[in-house]
Amino acid sequence: SQQGEEDPQALSIQEGENATMNCSYKTSINNLQWYRQNSGRGLVHLILIRSNEREKHSGRLRVTLDTSKKSSSLLITASRAADTASYFCATENSGAGSYQLTFGKGTKLSVIP
Amino acid sequence: NAGVTQTPKFRVLKTGQSMTLLCAQDMNHEYMYWYRQDPGMGLRLIHYSVGEGTTAKGEVPDGYNVSRLKKQNFLLGLESAAPSQTSVYFCASSYTLLGQRNQPQHFGDGTRLSIL
Repeated sequence: SQQGEEDPQALSIQEGENATMNCSYKTSINNLQWYRQNSGRGLVHLILIRSNEREKHSGRLRVTLDTSKKSSSLLITASRAADTASYFCATENSGAGSYQLTFGKGTKLSVIP
Repeated sequence: NAGVTQTPKFRVLKTGQSMTLLCAQDMNHEYMYWYRQDPGMGLRLIHYSVGEGTTAKGEVPDGYNVSRLKKQNFLLGLESAAPSQTSVYFCASSYTLLGQRNQPQHFGDGTRLSIL
């Protein structure tokens, strides 16, 4: 079953603009992670935010987490053509022995030069 | 340092044939995972392993078997392939020990499997 659901499914922006992707989930979590997948490649981990954190930064990435709304957002600032990829959120659900990640369906980002 | 390596990268099978997908990691990670990725479905967990000699079922385990005889290797087997198993298969690993959460997963580049 899908835990995270990304919104929008697809996003097209001009180079230099900011891109915002949202993720909603259903159950309580230990952490939420964002991954990037370039076409024909595996997923690459971008950033992890723990359930007791509200915001986290990494370079041009900013992630927020609102556990009361069960939602997260990923902001990519000053986008580049190389940011073109699919972005997935994944949740590690809380509960004994739960070390698995549940992935959403992804947001396909196109950055136009 | 190769990370996570999957072989083969591509394969075409006929219905009913069997095959084994190999995943190898050189990061000394305890946990390893097999996912399948289908269009519009995201990644779904097939099986995972929390250490050498142990395996467990994920969300979609039917039709697959796995083995983890060595810590660095995780094998995914299809005993009798079906067209519904046409997919891209990803292996991942993480440094996750009991009691230590919040670890990212490292992925291979996938095996593209078509079953006719």
